[in-house]
Amino acid sequence: AQSVTQLGSHVSVSEGALVLLRCNYSSSVPPYLFWYVQYPNQGLQLLLKYTSAATLVKGINGFEAEFKKSETSFHLTKPSAHMSDAAEYFCAVTIQGAQKLVFGQGTRLTINP
Amino acid sequence: GAVVSQHPSWVICKSGTSVKIECRSLDFQATTMFWYRQFPKQSLMLMATSNEGSKATYEQGVEKDKFLINHASLTLSTLTVTSAHPEDSSFYICSAFWTSTDTQYFGPGTRLTVL
Repeated sequence: AQSVTQLGSHVSVSEGALVLLRCNYSSSVPPYLFWYVQYPNQGLQLLLKYTSAATLVKGINGFEAEFKKSETSFHLTKPSAHMSDAAEYFCAVTIQGAQKLVFGQGTRLTINP
Repeated sequence: GAVVSQHPSWVICKSGTSVKIECRSLDFQATTMFWYRQFPKQSLMLMATSNEGSKATYEQGVEKDKFLINHASLTLSTLTVTSAHPEDSSFYICSAFWTSTDTQYFGPGTRLTVL
């Protein structure tokens, strides 16, 4: 079975600062990993995904994530935070051939002016 | 591409009535759709997997007779909350799985309030 742990339920950064949201996974087979963003009262929007190709994945809105098998991590980063990045971020895992996602508990990102 | 819509976006109903929520994949076909429930400040809780042309698969603890799911076509799944009660008030989100990208795409959610 797969699982995901997001370290830090709440992360606060200043506008222009580096954003780092942590995600560690557990899977007995090669995983597919996803980051989704949720704005208030909205559904989830796909930011980026890893499906066993390049380990550094670039997504929308300037975000990227690096798959590190040795650390079982898939942390999300953005070099310079913008006020519009304030939202809830979810990391999720699945495996090839399985459509069901396992979500982390989410990390709320706050951007300080 | 990969747009999923939900209707209605919000609904208020009286206790004891039934409410239907629609989930549509607008630009791709989805043999599998998922229904989630989200409580305030929490992650998504998978309720059921909706399979086109067959019965839905419910997660443990989800009452299948209360949350009726129909996946009548490759672009439409519906969730009907029967005999709704205030404790059913929640944010319901659907997703559709696109096999071409191995990815779930989510709808905008439906806010249900039962009075």
